[in-house]
Amino acid sequence: QVQLQESGPGLLKPSGTLSLTCAVSGGSISNTNWWTWVRQPPGTGLEWIGEIQLSGSTNYNPSLKSRVTISVDKSKNEFSLKLSSVTAADTAVYFCARRAGGAYSFFDYWGQGTLVTVSS
Amino acid sequence: EIVLTQSPGALSLSPGEGATLSCRASQSVRSNYLAWYQQQPGQAPSLLIYDASSRATGIPDRFSGSGSGTDFSLRISRLEPEDFAVYYCQQYGSSPWTFGQGTKVEI
Repeated sequence: QVQLQESGPGLLKPSGTLSLTCAVSGGSISNTNWWTWVRQPPGTGLEWIGEIQLSGSTNYNPSLKSRVTISVDKSKNEFSLKLSSVTAADTAVYFCARRAGGAYSFFDYWGQGTLVTVSS
Repeated sequence: EIVLTQSPGALSLSPGEGATLSCRASQSVRSNYLAWYQQQPGQAPSLLIYDASSRATGIPDRFSGSGSGTDFSLRISRLEPEDFAVYYCQQYGSSPWTFGQGTKVEI
């Protein structure tokens, strides 16, 4: 059973950089999976941020691409999200998730999510 | 980008009743690569249906998905107390992967 766990600061100031890590347990970060970040502003819906494969291939949402970097560390079995120049609009619960099985696949495992608040 | 529009925004029902949730795509979804997720308050979404009509592991058969092209539905045949939640559709046929805005099924 794959488990994902997000970690990182829960509060940051506007213009700062959001940094989160997702630890993967119960399985390895294999090359066939896409390791993904999704966010959910309070009381609203879900937005896909981007994803990475073990090979380093990335795929970002065009709406956030200029501010997003996703990286992977196989030795630690984890992957990370950086979102720069944050504003209050980036306040959200951030989930990490897995898309398994190739280019066209659904999110089958999710972390519990972590709330990140952007406020001065 | 494929925009997914869910309707209705909310459904007020009683345990034992049936529910039909709709998801309409702004363009055809490749190979019907559409999933449905359930989200309970304070929890992550969990996968119910993938490929429009295939139930995920462990999902009871009172949940069923149907549809193709641009029109998809999730049917819950007899609502159990644990089924009152928010449901999202999501397409994975064309990047960026997108979600509908959700349908809240409430008592």
